[in-house]
Amino acid sequence: GAVVSQHPSRVICKSGTSVKIECRSLDFQATTMFWYRQFPKQSLMLMATSNEGSKATYEQGVEKDKFLINHASLTLSTLTVTSAHPEDSSFYICSATGAYSGANVLTFGAGSRLTVL
Amino acid sequence: GNSVTQMEGPVTLSEEAFLTINCTYTATGYPSLFWYVQYPGEGLQLLLKATKADDKGSNKGFEATYRKETTSFHLEKGSVQVSDSAVYFCALSDLPNNQGGKLIFGQGTELSVKP
Repeated sequence: GAVVSQHPSRVICKSGTSVKIECRSLDFQATTMFWYRQFPKQSLMLMATSNEGSKATYEQGVEKDKFLINHASLTLSTLTVTSAHPEDSSFYICSATGAYSGANVLTFGAGSRLTVL
Repeated sequence: GNSVTQMEGPVTLSEEAFLTINCTYTATGYPSLFWYVQYPGEGLQLLLKATKADDKGSNKGFEATYRKETTSFHLEKGSVQVSDSAVYFCALSDLPNNQGGKLIFGQGTELSVKP
């Protein structure tokens, strides 16, 4: 229970193109979703927090025009990397929090590996 | 601000050895503390958690005790297996009442267990 699915798990794109990554809560309503970025052999850095129906709150140093986050429903948030460049190559992980079976849960997706050529 | 510091890896152990991965934190208030595990190529899985001082979280043979006096949450396992090879992350939540959500992670410690 309390499953979060990320898609795609891997994506390769050319420099200058845009890539969309989806984060879905499959069996619960996610009132809040979080997007993290993980560099190789490093920790997860929070990029932004998104609440359903409102604008995302970005962490300091994260370009909101570069990393567009949309949380249009209680089960879906998307991260769009616009005009991607090789330095955007990374592992992007989402997490979702909400009520499941009477308890508040926090679940992570399996991550999406982006490679920009 | 709040932060988490873990011992640097990689940590290499033989099967059945004792494991300790140190984790200390800096936080205002009373954070909840977590250990997450990331197997190769996968996302993060919650391993264990503790929500208040002196709480002990445990799962799959792993244990960690919330020590407020030393601001620590060290991860231990008495006998590691090859299947425990992964990256371990210590994390804290600065939201009250363990509402989860925004987590602050340590840098991760890679564990490699040899047969």
